Amino acid sequence: DSGVTQTPKHLITATGQRVTLRCSPRSGDLSVYWYQQSLDQGLQFLIHYYNGEERAKGNILERFSAQQFPDLHSELNLSSLELGDSALYFCASSLTRDSFNEQFFGPGTRLTVL
Amino acid sequence: KNEVEQSPQNLTAQEGEFITINCSYSVGISALHWLQQHPGGGIVSLFMLSSGKKKHGRLIATINIQEKHSSLHITASHPRDSAVYICAVKGRSGGGADGLTFGKGTHLIIQP
Repeated sequence: DSGVTQTPKHLITATGQRVTLRCSPRSGDLSVYWYQQSLDQGLQFLIHYYNGEERAKGNILERFSAQQFPDLHSELNLSSLELGDSALYFCASSLTRDSFNEQFFGPGTRLTVL
Repeated sequence: KNEVEQSPQNLTAQEGEFITINCSYSVGISALHWLQQHPGGGIVSLFMLSSGKKKHGRLIATINIQEKHSSLHITASHPRDSAVYICAVKGRSGGGADGLTFGKGTHLIIQP
């Protein structure tokens, strides 16, 4: 158990809908990273938040957004869903925002768009 | 061309064999991670390296910064080692704020 929690574990929805994925980092960790794992693209970095502020964006679509709240949990919002958004979404947390800390991964949310 | 290349893509071996998985990268990095993903999907961090060598149980990871290459070794392999092993790098750009860049993974099967 990494100490990172993600909810829900599974999510099935229809095209055009909007969903919210939630991540609670390990106690004391200030950074949250969101990653997408799809069959064709593999694992890709989406976005990084540190202590409530956006720090870096990766391959995140404009239809996707995220935020980190004062209690440090983070939410990833996916809107106008398409079939291709079906994927595993992981969050990972680390102590600080720099490069020299291990990232601890949550169990993931499996999103299926029908 | 991917920034992170792993080989082999697939590896099947017999229990007890010594396993080596290789990772090459093309960008300047601040750290390299080896991750393990089991069939259920969960990702476990095995090692984070910026230089030299690390050992944990039967797992050994090495990195050569000059050659931009890392290897993950498994000694006395066991069927429970069957998983996908993923190499990921943390680039130096962006002040270290960017997330990891991942290889495509090596699918390892250890047969009893």
